[in-house]
Amino acid sequence: EVQLLESGGGLVQPGGSLRLSCAASGFSFRTYAMSWVRQAPGRGLEWVSVIYSDDSGTSYADSVKGRFTISRDKSKNTLYLQMNSLRAEDTAVYYCATYRRTFDIWGQGTMVTVSS
Amino acid sequence: DIQMTQSPSSVSASVGDRVTITCRASQGISNWLAWYQQKPGKAPKLLIFAASSLQRGVPSRFSGSGSGTDFTLTISSLQPEDCATYYCQQGNSFPITFGQGTRLE
Repeated sequence: EVQLLESGGGLVQPGGSLRLSCAASGFSFRTYAMSWVRQAPGRGLEWVSVIYSDDSGTSYADSVKGRFTISRDKSKNTLYLQMNSLRAEDTAVYYCATYRRTFDIWGQGTMVTVSS
Repeated sequence: DIQMTQSPSSVSASVGDRVTITCRASQGISNWLAWYQQKPGKAPKLLIFAASSLQRGVPSRFSGSGSGTDFTLTISSLQPEDCATYYCQQGNSFPITFGQGTRLE
């Protein structure tokens, strides 16, 4: 079964850090570009970051550039999002997804709440 | 950045109705346009890719059309399970952007 399973969300204080993980199974993880997309409570979808299949490059939304880092471990079939200097406006459900110009496969999401 | 504008923001329809949602890009994106369906508390689900290609497993009552800057998602005969929020997304260039969503009731 094709599956993406996020973990690592939780409550963190402003200025804090959190690392999200996304475990992939049921498909050839190493051949896919992978991405993070977030959704603030009651709001629409916002693309966050992407890492290419050959790890040749990454891209970030301006809202997270310099604070978030996307990476992957192909030996563990796992995608990561290191989030530093968190702000209240980063509060959202974070989804990982495969990316091929579209987001084909989605995880169930993990909630990140930034609050004191 | 490419802005994606959906209309309407919300629509109310009845079972069996034909429903059309439009998405306009602020600049040409060829056919790099996708549509997603999202139900409350769930992850989005890909419906249409490359503007008009139906994702495997998606009912044929869903269809997409358009190229360049103007796109449409059509549900030919609305079913109760189609109540959801629909988003368009451009994959032409970074940053990837979504429309603001259309709530279908």
